[in-house]
This record gives sequence, C-alpha cells and structure tokens, in this order.
Amino acid sequence: DAKTTQPNSMESNEEEPVHLPCNHSTISGTDYIHWYRQLPSQGPEYVIHGLTSNVNNRMASLAIAEDRKSSTLILHRATLRDAAVYYCILSNEGGSSNTGKLIFGQGTTLQVKP
Amino acid sequence: KAGVTQTPRYLIKTRGQQVTLSCSPISGHRSVSWYQQTPGQGLQFLFEYFSETQRNKGNFPGRFSGRQFSNSRSEMNVSTLELGDSALYLCASSSGYRAGYTFGSGTRLTVV
Repeated sequence: DAKTTQPNSMESNEEEPVHLPCNHSTISGTDYIHWYRQLPSQGPEYVIHGLTSNVNNRMASLAIAEDRKSSTLILHRATLRDAAVYYCILSNEGGSSNTGKLIFGQGTTLQVKP
Repeated sequence: KAGVTQTPRYLIKTRGQQVTLSCSPISGHRSVSWYQQTPGQGLQFLFEYFSETQRNKGNFPGRFSGRQFSNSRSEMNVSTLELGDSALYLCASSSGYRAGYTFGSGTRLTVV
C-alpha cells in the first residue's frame, strides 16, 4: 500500500490561509489523492480528492505537484471550526486488496488560534 | 439527503459477549466499509461490502464479521468480546471510490 507522510501538527491564525502538505513519493499512476478531516467526536469528513489536476470545491483547494509525489491542501481562510485532524490518503481500486479501503495515517492536527 | 446512519451511538458490553452494530448508507450507495478507531492504532480498515458481497477484508481476527443486505444496509458483528475491542467503529458508504466516502458518526463500544 502506498504511504503518505504528513507533519504531526500545524498551527494557523483564524482567517488566514493554511497550507497542509503531504508527501506520497511512492504514488502509482492510478492512485487518487484524498483528503479527509476528523473533528473531535465525529467520523471523518470528506474534504476533496484529485488525480492529476488541481481541484477546487467549496471547502478547500487541492494542489498536486506535477510529478504527483506531493500535494497540498489549502484552506483559504481558516476558521475555528477547521480545527481537526487532516488525513491525506491514497486510494486505488486496482486489485481486490484495495477495494473500498482507505489507509489512514496519523494525519496532521491543525490548531486554529483566534 | 440523509447521511450515513449508525446505531447505536454508544454501547457497553461485557467480555465474552457478542455485539452487532448497524449502518445505513446514503441512499443509492452500494459500497459500505467498516473501520475501527482506537487511540493507539488510529483508523484501521475492517472490511468492505458491495452488493451483499464482501470484496475486501482487513487484518482482523475472525471474531469480526459483517454482512450486507439487499437494501445496502450493513451490520458488523464482534463475537467473544475482548477488552481491546473497545473502540469507535465507523462505517462509510460510497457510490464509487472516485466519488469519495461519507462516514457515519460511529458507534462507541466499551467492553468491560
């Protein structure tokens, strides 16, 4: 299973942009890059995902390096409600061992200061 | 639309008992996955069902089992409970891995 590396923790000030990095040097050509976040006492929440091109949605932007060995989740204006653990995950359904499976690492704990 | 619903939210069981947890996926989602979350091991994949068939299984003992019904609702069962089975059990549904997964709020199981 392809692995991702994220910093254990990051801090941000409220209403400032946040860039959460993720390294995935062993990514394969068919791996999708997913980001989820988990707020305290809740299940993980889907944030965004992409394959090769940068992606934007109402929650965040995903910037994918040209060689796909790294990506960055961008929260444009952090709020206190964005304080959570952010997981960067590679997802690939090629082969039965990958089907329906997300491999979570330890993630990045984001603290947002008022 | 309704999200993924897991019942019950909290459960306390005694060692040696068995437990059944339920998950109702988002309408139209045919894939349901289950995860165990503990402070020490984080989120670990248990198994995934699609159209009533188990397609993938994580590295858990045979005491952990599941099934999926024709309406895509899923249950997981843990037999002969051990103290170490205390965890948050999460299920997620999807219409396909490219679409992402939607998680429920989980069932908090405490084994005493």
